[in-house]
Parts: sequence; structure tokens; C-alpha cells
Amino acid sequence: AQRVTQPEKLLSVFKGAPVELKCNYSYSGSPELFWYVQYSRQRLQLLLRHISRESIKGFTADLNKGETSFHLKKPFAQEEDSAMYYCALSGQGLTGGGNKLTFGTGTQLKVEL
Amino acid sequence: EPEVTQTPSHQVTQMGQEVILRCVPISNHLYFYWYRQILGQKVEFLVSFYNNEISEKSEIFDDQFSVERPDGSNFTLKIRSTKLEDSAMYFCASKFNTNTGELFFGEGSRLTVL
Repeated sequence: AQRVTQPEKLLSVFKGAPVELKCNYSYSGSPELFWYVQYSRQRLQLLLRHISRESIKGFTADLNKGETSFHLKKPFAQEEDSAMYYCALSGQGLTGGGNKLTFGTGTQLKVEL
Repeated sequence: EPEVTQTPSHQVTQMGQEVILRCVPISNHLYFYWYRQILGQKVEFLVSFYNNEISEKSEIFDDQFSVERPDGSNFTLKIRSTKLEDSAMYFCASKFNTNTGELFFGEGSRLTVL
């Protein structure tokens, strides 16, 4: 079974402060991890994925297989970072099928001035 | 930039009525999905569709649900006899390939069952 846990429903930080959104996962195989973001009144969109090892909008996330974590970090929060952030895991779907995403419950990030 | 589009954006229906939610995935994508999000809860996988057939479905996707790709562009989700607990935001998504392809989401269709 695939499971994604985001322990914080709401994270409030001041502008310029560091941000860490926590994500832990449970999966018996080799997962692919993602962070999706949903800005107010907009659709879910991919922020970053672990295999790319890239930094998007100043955010990074490192897959830690030992701790089964994929925390999202940003050194200095900006007001425009306020949004809902979802951690998601893609495992192995059925043969020939697209791998489904399993989402965490999401963390609402609020960046205050 | 191509987008996944969904209609209607909001539908209100009476319990027991049939509802069809429509999606137009990105044109060269091969894998299609429906997810739902009950208010205050997480985004849940319903079904994936590939090569004109369901490739995986969750336990939520019971006999009341069906999906169809009737004409090569639309991808529909039908709920045969709606229940109050079907009230949710339904998201359509698509991607080009199965392995590392990014999942593109529509803006969602809000279903309210009275």
C-alpha cells in the first residue's frame, strides 16, 4: 500500500524566514516523489519531483530513503509562496497502466509580512 | 500552453440523479485520471485509463461510477445515481507517458448533491 503523511495542516511563517514542509511516505517498492502546489483559485500544478533534483522557485526537496521522507524546503519565504502544498507518491501501477499518484492531506503555507 | 479543461465548473444535482463530468485532456497525452477531493480532505485517486480501458481503480470507484473516452478527445466520468457523499471536487488529469511524466490537472468540477 502507498501512503503519504503530511503532519501539518497549516504552517505560518514570516516573510524571509526558512520554510520546511514535512512529508513522510510508506511504500514497499521504489517510489517517485513529487510536490504539487495549488495557489488560490488555481489548479494543482507540479512544483518539483525528486528525480529531477532541481530547485523551483527557490524550493528544494531531497528524498531520504532511510527516513522515508521528502521534506520541502526554502531558505527565505516569500509572500507569493502562500498556497496549499501536496506531497505525492507514485508507485507501480498495473502493467500497461499509468502510475497513480497518492497524495498527502496537504499543508497550507501562509507567509505573513 | 495546453491545458486540461473540465466542464462544468460547478454542478448541483438531486440525490439519485445521474451526473456526467467532462474533461478534455491535453491532446497528445495517453494516460487519463480522475481524482476527487471532499471538502477538507485529501485528493483521492479514483481511476486511471489507458488504451481505452481502465488500468486501475480505487475502492471508491464502485459500480455507480464509470468512465469513457467516447470520441478521442473527451474523457468523461459518470455517476449513475448520486449520493450525498459524492459531493466533492472532481479533478481530471492526464499525462504523456507512464514513468516520469508530469501529471497535468484540470481546474476541477465541483459537484454538490442535495
